[in-house]
Amino acid sequence: ETGVTQSPTHLIKTRGQQVTLRCSSQSGHNTVSWYQQALGQGPQFIFQYYREEENGRGNFPPRFSGLQFPNYSSELNVNALELDDSALYLCASKEWAGGRETQYFGPGTRLLVL
Amino acid sequence: AQSVSQHNHHVILSEAASLELGCNYSYGGTVNLFWYVQYPGQHLQLLLKYFSGDPLVKGIKGFEAEFIKSKFSFNLRKPSVQWSDTAEYFCAVSGYSGGGADGLTFGKGTHLIIQP
Repeated sequence: ETGVTQSPTHLIKTRGQQVTLRCSSQSGHNTVSWYQQALGQGPQFIFQYYREEENGRGNFPPRFSGLQFPNYSSELNVNALELDDSALYLCASKEWAGGRETQYFGPGTRLLVL
Repeated sequence: AQSVSQHNHHVILSEAASLELGCNYSYGGTVNLFWYVQYPGQHLQLLLKYFSGDPLVKGIKGFEAEFIKSKFSFNLRKPSVQWSDTAEYFCAVSGYSGGGADGLTFGKGTHLIIQP
């Protein structure tokens, strides 16, 4: 267990709807990243939050947005859902040690868009 | 842009066989390298990581990996696999560009099946 939790575990939405996914980071980790893992693929970096501000973003459109709260929990919001958004969404909290970082992943939320 | 290539998408081995999974990366700066494993129905777990120093790193469950800078490779090895090693294995690289954090870049994964 990594100490990173995510909710919900599964979710079904229809095209055009909006969804919010939640993540609770491992204690003491102030950086959180979100990834999308399509079936049969490796995870793809969506964005990263550090101290409540986005400080890195992958190749995802603005309808993917996030928040990080003072307790370092985090949300991923996706607007105007498309069928291709169906995937496993992973949250990872980042440990810094000696100037080096390691990411620890939660169990993920599986989103199905119909 | 950084990229990671895993050469074997599916590997089938018998128990006690030796394992080597290939990983090559492309990145312009200093990289950190990782192998993650995803057992059926479970979340991604860190197997091992390389930051600097000894290019041969040891991880959990008897896995090791060798960083060869000249070949941009970070291959995963295990001398003798077990049925419980059946899983999806991902190689990943992290780094920073001038614009901020790039996150981890993952390969497409290798699906390893160990036959009893």
